[in-house]
Amino acid sequence: EDQVTQSPEALRLQEGESSSLNCSYTVSGLRGLFWYRQDPGKGPEFLFTLYSAGEEKEKERLKATLTKKESFLHITAPKPEDSATYLCAVQTYGGATNKLIFGTGTLLAVQP
Amino acid sequence: GAGVSQSPSNKVTEKGKDVELRCDPISGHTALYWYRQRLGQGLEFLIYFQGNSAPDKSGLPSDRFSAERTGESVSTLTIQRTQQEDSAVYLCASSLNGGEWTEAFFGQGTRLTVV
Repeated sequence: EDQVTQSPEALRLQEGESSSLNCSYTVSGLRGLFWYRQDPGKGPEFLFTLYSAGEEKEKERLKATLTKKESFLHITAPKPEDSATYLCAVQTYGGATNKLIFGTGTLLAVQP
Repeated sequence: GAGVSQSPSNKVTEKGKDVELRCDPISGHTALYWYRQRLGQGLEFLIYFQGNSAPDKSGLPSDRFSAERTGESVSTLTIQRTQQEDSAVYLCASSLNGGEWTEAFFGQGTRLTVV
C-alpha cells in the first residue's frame, strides 16, 4: 500500500534557527512529490513539485530535495511568518487515478 | 476566477439533513479532486474527476456521499442524511490535466458542522 510519513509531527524553532522537515514515502512508482503549506483555516498552498531523485527546488527560505525514499524541506533562517503546517503528498503511476496521497503534516512554529 | 472557489465557506446542518457543497475549479483545469480534513488530521482523498467522469471514487466513505461534475467545470459534493462524524473541512482542488507535470491547487474549503 502506498504510504507517506512526515516527521516530526511538530517543530518549534527560534527565529533564524535553520532545520529540516522529513517526508518518507513507500510507493509502487513515484510520479511526483508535492510540498504544500497550510495556514489555519485555509486550504493548502502549493510550494514545490519534485519528480526525480536528486532534484532540488528553492523558494525564498525554503529548499526541497528528493531521494528515492524521502524528501526534505529545508528551512533556512526561518521567520515567524513561516509558521504553518507543511504537508507532503505523492502522486503515483498505475491505474486510472491521479490522486495525491498526503502525509499528516508537520506543524512548524517559529518564535521571534 | 483566479483560483479554486468553494461555497459555502461554512455550513452548519442538523443531523439527518442533506447538504451540497460546491466547487468552481480554475478555468481550463480538467482534473478535479475532493478531500476531507478532520480537525487536526491530514487530507483524506474522496474522489477524482477527469473531465466529467470520475475514474476514482475509492475514497467516498459510504453511499451517503456522492459527487458530480458538469461542463468540465463546477462540481458538487452531496452528503445525504448527515452524521456528526461528517463534520470536517471539505477541500476541493483542480489541476490542468491531473497527469504529469501539473500541480493541484486548492480552494479555501467548506467547513461543515453537523449538530
